[in-house]
Amino acid sequence: GNSVTQMEGPVTLSEEAFLTINCTYTATGYPSLFWYVQYPGEGLQLLLKATKADDKGSNKGFEATYRKETTSFHLEKGSVQVSDSAVYFCALSEYSGGGADGLTFGKGTHLIIQP
Amino acid sequence: DTEVTQTPKHLVMGMTNKKSLKCEQHMGHRAMYWYKQKAKKPPELMFVYSYEKLSINESVPSRFSPECPNSSLLNLHLHALQPEDSALYLCASSRRQNSNTEAFFGQGTRLTVV
Repeated sequence: GNSVTQMEGPVTLSEEAFLTINCTYTATGYPSLFWYVQYPGEGLQLLLKATKADDKGSNKGFEATYRKETTSFHLEKGSVQVSDSAVYFCALSEYSGGGADGLTFGKGTHLIIQP
Repeated sequence: DTEVTQTPKHLVMGMTNKKSLKCEQHMGHRAMYWYKQKAKKPPELMFVYSYEKLSINESVPSRFSPECPNSSLLNLHLHALQPEDSALYLCASSRRQNSNTEAFFGQGTRLTVV
């Protein structure tokens, strides 16, 4: 079956530091890949997505590149802010022709940015 | 408009109560989902509706009863819940099931069973 593995944290950084959150996946075919962000007490917001190999998703200064050769979709940001403190979920979606649907999530990475 | 609206935002209910969670989207999406999320965990899929028909039930106890009255609305009826059912319940929608597209989530209902 499909799976997503990401570093769980918490990851603590100082403001303006460089961020990398690693995400690797296992899938049988050609999934779409996503990063979702969840702020305290809220639902999940789609941060960025990529639908095929070598696609780069970007939004709000965050970027991630779909690397099929390494089955990875690492999230990066050049300079984090206190307001980026949240839980980040890597996820995939793949039609399996009859299996369970919905998104497959990683366990989530709790990011804490200190001023 | 990429909004999924859930009501209520918070709900406290006793173990003998009956309550309902509501979800609405106006994006023309034909797949709608219920997820359950416990603290510090990823969302867990409960139900999937595709074109208003129940498509997937992930072995959810019968005290949770989903309903899709039309293509824009999704309800989750709750009856005789247990304290361990306390969680954040998230509704989501996507263009259609099995399409590899993203899902859009509501803000969730924080449910406490006492």
